Amino acid sequence: EAQVTQNPRYLITVTGKKLTVTCSQNMNHEYMSWYRQDPGLGLRQIYYSMNVEVTDKGDVPEGYKVSRKEKRNFPLILESPSPNQTSLYFCASSLFAFSGAGTEAFFGQGTRLTVV
Amino acid sequence: GIQVEQSPPDLILQEGANSTLRCNFSDSVNNLQWFHQNPWGQLINLFYIPSGTKQNGRLSATTVATERYSLLYISSSQTTDSGVYFCAVYVSGGYNKLIFGAGTRLAVHP
Repeated sequence: EAQVTQNPRYLITVTGKKLTVTCSQNMNHEYMSWYRQDPGLGLRQIYYSMNVEVTDKGDVPEGYKVSRKEKRNFPLILESPSPNQTSLYFCASSLFAFSGAGTEAFFGQGTRLTVV
Repeated sequence: GIQVEQSPPDLILQEGANSTLRCNFSDSVNNLQWFHQNPWGQLINLFYIPSGTKQNGRLSATTVATERYSLLYISSSQTTDSGVYFCAVYVSGGYNKLIFGAGTRLAVHP
């Protein structure tokens, strides 16, 4: 089954304790990205990757890191989480990077993160 | 930047009723998707619809890109249709970044 898998689904952590949210897709997609969803602010892009070893900042990258060492995986790293990073996080993937191809985005199940 | 507006913001239905959700966008887009966010927070793909009309069971969608709007039709609504419906557009001329509308919150009562 074609899917995007995020882990964990739920996480409560303390301020400053490094964490990683994993994302994996099995569709051989080139393009992957991370979004966060907050009440009143909607979904905003954090980082994206157009292919292996190619990543760039989205709209709200502060406090996050990413890496793309393999095509299927795109982990989101919070080096020193703070309470303002409490949010619902989504990983997404699509076949191509550029909107000229305009391909469909598939989303993971979401990770609900609470930083206390 | 491009603006995506959804209406109505909130909708309450009795089970069995029909509804139409609207998505307007302010600039040309390459493509558009509709999603359903269920009460558990999951984003479910409903339609990927650059233009024309698609149907999937009780749901159908129409996009008129030249007039910059899309419609999502829900017929014979069920309680499981409750949640938030988002449309999202792809910005033309750039990478595949989705711009989301604010959503329509739907509650279907038995």
